[in-house]
Amino acid sequence: QKEVEQNSGPLSVPEGAIASLNCTYSDRGSQSFFWYRQYSGKSPELIMFIYSNGDKEDGRFTAQLNKASQYVSLLIRDSQPSDSATYLCAVSGRVTGGGNKLTFGTGTQLKVEL
Amino acid sequence: NAGVTQTPKFQVLKTGQSMTLQCAQDMNHNSMYWYRQDPGMGLRLIYYSASEGTTDKGEVPNGYNVSRLNKREFSLRLESAAPSQTSVYFCASSGGASKNIQYFGAGTRLSVL
Repeated sequence: QKEVEQNSGPLSVPEGAIASLNCTYSDRGSQSFFWYRQYSGKSPELIMFIYSNGDKEDGRFTAQLNKASQYVSLLIRDSQPSDSATYLCAVSGRVTGGGNKLTFGTGTQLKVEL
Repeated sequence: NAGVTQTPKFQVLKTGQSMTLQCAQDMNHNSMYWYRQDPGMGLRLIYYSASEGTTDKGEVPNGYNVSRLNKREFSLRLESAAPSQTSVYFCASSGGASKNIQYFGAGTRLSVL
């Protein structure tokens, strides 16, 4: 079993719809959870992070965390064509002496269609 | 601020050649990381440096060495490149007030023939 699992997609949604991206993780000790967006040929950029159970909202983006179910999701409201990208879920574990090791899922490709 | 800068952006090597990928950050971060990204495999951690003077292996360290030259710079060396090392390499850093967030460089696209 992979440590962080995502459906590779592509997930296609019409413009203006809500896109729902999901991620499950295996390490119950994980404490921090991140969503990165990666456009084709570009580097990952942080969209959201969440540490506590529940929801965290930032503009059109909402991250949801359920530690009991080991499940993280990202909702994108009013999806735009510019949201078309691969979304990477990452889960962190502590590093002795500092730092923050991230384990990434393989990403979900999102396509927002006109 | 440039953030995380990687050089070169592209490189083609022949099997057996060596090269060093350079990474520098100007955010005064303590921790730095090297990842490789392959189709269908996601980002995998090669080596990391939690703080200046320390380095540790990640998930896929074989065939690589690293040097944390100072707080700003963290280099990745391929001593004898193999076709299996064809990949996109990303450097990242974290630290400061947002110590758990990693910021990525633009990447180096490496082909080994």
